[in-house]
Amino acid sequence: DAGITQSPRYKITETGRQVTLMCHQTWSHSYMFWYRQDLGHGLRLIYYSAAADITDKGEVPDGYVVSRSKTENFPLTLESATRSQTSVYFCASSSGAGINNEQFFGPGTRLTVL
Amino acid sequence: AQSVSQHNHHVILSEAASLELGCNYSYGGTVNLFWYVQYPGQHLQLLLKYFSGDPLVKGIKGFEAEFIKSKFSFNLRKPSVQWSDTAEYFCAARSGNTGKLIFGQGTTLQVKP
Repeated sequence: DAGITQSPRYKITETGRQVTLMCHQTWSHSYMFWYRQDLGHGLRLIYYSAAADITDKGEVPDGYVVSRSKTENFPLTLESATRSQTSVYFCASSSGAGINNEQFFGPGTRLTVL
Repeated sequence: AQSVSQHNHHVILSEAASLELGCNYSYGGTVNLFWYVQYPGQHLQLLLKYFSGDPLVKGIKGFEAEFIKSKFSFNLRKPSVQWSDTAEYFCAARSGNTGKLIFGQGTTLQVKP
């Protein structure tokens, strides 16, 4: 009964390093989303995926890469981390995109880029 | 461009005071509206949602919100706040069929005991 989990919960890295944040959901939800949360900006959508092997850009995709080889996993990769990517990252999932579909959020990953 | 705006960035109230947090959206057509809450150190939880029908929506923990289409607003209310309501509150909107949510900037609510 894990629901939606994220790992790691906390990460400190250095500028230029590659970092991958993991997201896993046990509901077989079709849709998955990555958001970043920054003071004064609320949550902003980075990427989302409607199904396995289908991904699309959100509001702030630059510097990030995603993949969705399996329905339950939606990893987010920072190919070359920058200080501006210091943030709290939330993964979410929903069973569909229709009017009755609610998004469920993971616990978040706090990433610090030095 | 589609957007959601929350007017109050930081609200401080005493226990038992009434709460109203503003939210305005700029969408055309059908829109779904949500209020999420994030307690300190926790993930976002859904407080309430509006899809259609009765514009007054009741959520968990005594919260309610009213959808006023003419004002493009979806304000969150609670008649009497408690210390445990201290949290950050996010308004969000969704239109179309992509499932994407657009969030407001968030409002930090601090309730003094």
